Amino acid sequence: QVQLEQSGAEVKKPGASVKVSCKASGYTFSSFNMHWVRQAPGQGLEWMGIVRPSSGNTIYAQTLQDRVTMTRDTSTSTVYMELSSLRSEDTAVYYCAREEDHSYNLDYWGQGTLVTVSS
Amino acid sequence: QSALTQPRSVSGSPGQSVTISCTGTSSDVGVYNYVSWYQQHPGKAPKLMIYDVSKRPSGVPDRFSGSKSGNTASLIISGLQAEDEADYYCCSYAGSPYVFGTGTKVTVL
Repeated sequence: QVQLEQSGAEVKKPGASVKVSCKASGYTFSSFNMHWVRQAPGQGLEWMGIVRPSSGNTIYAQTLQDRVTMTRDTSTSTVYMELSSLRSEDTAVYYCAREEDHSYNLDYWGQGTLVTVSS
Repeated sequence: QSALTQPRSVSGSPGQSVTISCTGTSSDVGVYNYVSWYQQHPGKAPKLMIYDVSKRPSGVPDRFSGSKSGNTASLIISGLQAEDEADYYCCSYAGSPYVFGTGTKVTVL
């Protein structure tokens, strides 16, 4: 069965960076794109970007493109999302979510990783 | 890219129907038939309910349906059940980025 297992909760200070992982299993890793979506406490969903495991190509949301980096490791079927220069507004649950290439929908989601930015 | 506009909340009694609107622009909802809908229960990850405007993934009850007219997409829940109480988000492909809706809380009275 398809599983997306994310790394554990993080607490970071303002200005630091955080790297969240998402390990995929139960399907052919390179055949599906991976999106990252975040949700601040009590707020809605915000699309952050996409990484294509087959090529490593990425597209980022304009509001985050200076601070976010998405990578993948095909040997371990894992994608990573790194966010730098953290601010209190980056406190959120971060989700990875799978997309079959060119399907334009997110059919499986990870369990979420809470990142707290606090001094 | 601005968030798609959804009503903050809708409510209905068990067995009734509710409709959630999702209004975008001619750059997203209006031009692409790639609108999807996600259900999110408190503390849980979102779940895909509708894709490509009106298609249902396997396992999603047929009381959930979707449609689109112009720049506005809609999710219809017919025969409302207690377990349908949740937050619902629309999402549209917008050329390269994706954009989510503001979210709607569905309350079953």
